[in-house]
Amino acid sequence: NAGVTQTPKFRILKIGQSMTLQCTQDMNHNYMYWYRQDPGMGLKLIYYSVGAGITDKGEVPNGYNVSRSTTEDFPLRLELAAPSQTSVYFCASSSLGSGRSETQYFGPGTRLLVL
Amino acid sequence: DAKTTQPNSMESNEEEPVHLPCNHSTISGTDYIHWYRQLPSQGPEYVIHGLTSNVNNRMASLAIAEDRKSSTLILHRATLRDAAVYYCILRGPTSGTYKYIFGTGTRLKVLA
Repeated sequence: NAGVTQTPKFRILKIGQSMTLQCTQDMNHNYMYWYRQDPGMGLKLIYYSVGAGITDKGEVPNGYNVSRSTTEDFPLRLELAAPSQTSVYFCASSSLGSGRSETQYFGPGTRLLVL
Repeated sequence: DAKTTQPNSMESNEEEPVHLPCNHSTISGTDYIHWYRQLPSQGPEYVIHGLTSNVNNRMASLAIAEDRKSSTLILHRATLRDAAVYYCILRGPTSGTYKYIFGTGTRLKVLA
């Protein structure tokens, strides 16, 4: 049971390039989330999904896109990378997204540097 | 969104108890109180959560004030591995159904 896995661990992008951050969970969780964490700050929600084919915006969605074609995978797409997107990105999953007592499980993160 | 207030940092000696406070004066009656911690260079991990009653698990205890406007995470014997940022988060209708508001948390330093 690997939990939540993310790839790559680290990436350097040039301004204007695009990339996809991969996230996979093997816990059969219906809810999945993408967060970003800037240095010294807490996590901010980018997008979330309540199940395959259903996604919605979080607090900071601009500059990102997501898709959820399967229960296991929730990739995050950056179309035109900007220096402001330099951050650490965390993917998370949970079994009951609307349940107030549910627990989120986080991946190890992807560190992205945009130059 | 319901907010929480935590001290920016705290220090503790190894093998001593640690009490991490959190104020949440705007909590609603249906908000759960969650605690997560983030070890260096890792994603957050769940610690404990509660609604009204005090809660215990193998990692920590959660003491919730009677008026629920504050809570305290208790690590009974701090170890060097407990050095992390601890986040107190409200989860419920006033915090938004699908999101955790993490804030900046309390950075716990454990002294050997």
